[in-house]
Amino acid sequence: EIVLTQSPGTLSLSPGERATLSCRASQTVSSRYLAWYQQKPGQALRLLIYAASGRATGIPDRFSGSGSGTDFTLTISRLEPEDFAIYYCQQYGNSPRTFGQGTKVEIK
Amino acid sequence: VHLVQSGAEMKRPGASVKVSCTASGYSFGTYAIHWVRQAPGRTLEWMGWINPGNGDTERSQKFWDRVTITRDTSATVVYMELRSLRSEDTAVYYCARDRDAYYFGSGSCMDVWGKGTTVTVSS
Repeated sequence: EIVLTQSPGTLSLSPGERATLSCRASQTVSSRYLAWYQQKPGQALRLLIYAASGRATGIPDRFSGSGSGTDFTLTISRLEPEDFAIYYCQQYGNSPRTFGQGTKVEIK
Repeated sequence: VHLVQSGAEMKRPGASVKVSCTASGYSFGTYAIHWVRQAPGRTLEWMGWINPGNGDTERSQKFWDRVTITRDTSATVVYMELRSLRSEDTAVYYCARDRDAYYFGSGSCMDVWGKGTTVTVSS
């Protein structure tokens, strides 16, 4: 199975700052089938990015995804208060679908 | 589009649990439904999916012999049954819908998620 390693584990930033989250795969993710999700306590998970760089419906343009092969990045250009959460990457090109261990973006 | 899950469950080791996921707001048979779980403090773990149109399923090898995913098309409900429960199965169980219609298998991520069902396994 494809193992996804996210870094850093925790990112401590202030509102307005730029956040860069990394997701590295143990083997090539086919057809850039890489998604990013946001998780907040008590809320349903939210799809942010699909196919490595496609922004999901209703997602603000401060969220962007990039990458291919084994290295992928989620960038939040200017952190808003509601962006402090845990972010997971997921590959969905191979079975079993796998998730990274998550990056927590916390307020500094 | 909504996915509404059944309520929290508490089970003894060795028992079974059946969690439901009621879908609404879209054509039930055209989008795969997945089950994903998250143990306390852990990441998300994909368990399997079902094609609600014909009942075809795929399960993760990890759960191959313990999980059954079924559906009731008349009620637009998907079920996930996990048997032979152990303490390590204590987790929040989520159902989630494929983003793309007719992508049964790989190639579509999940765009709508239920809020989760907490399953606690304890003696």
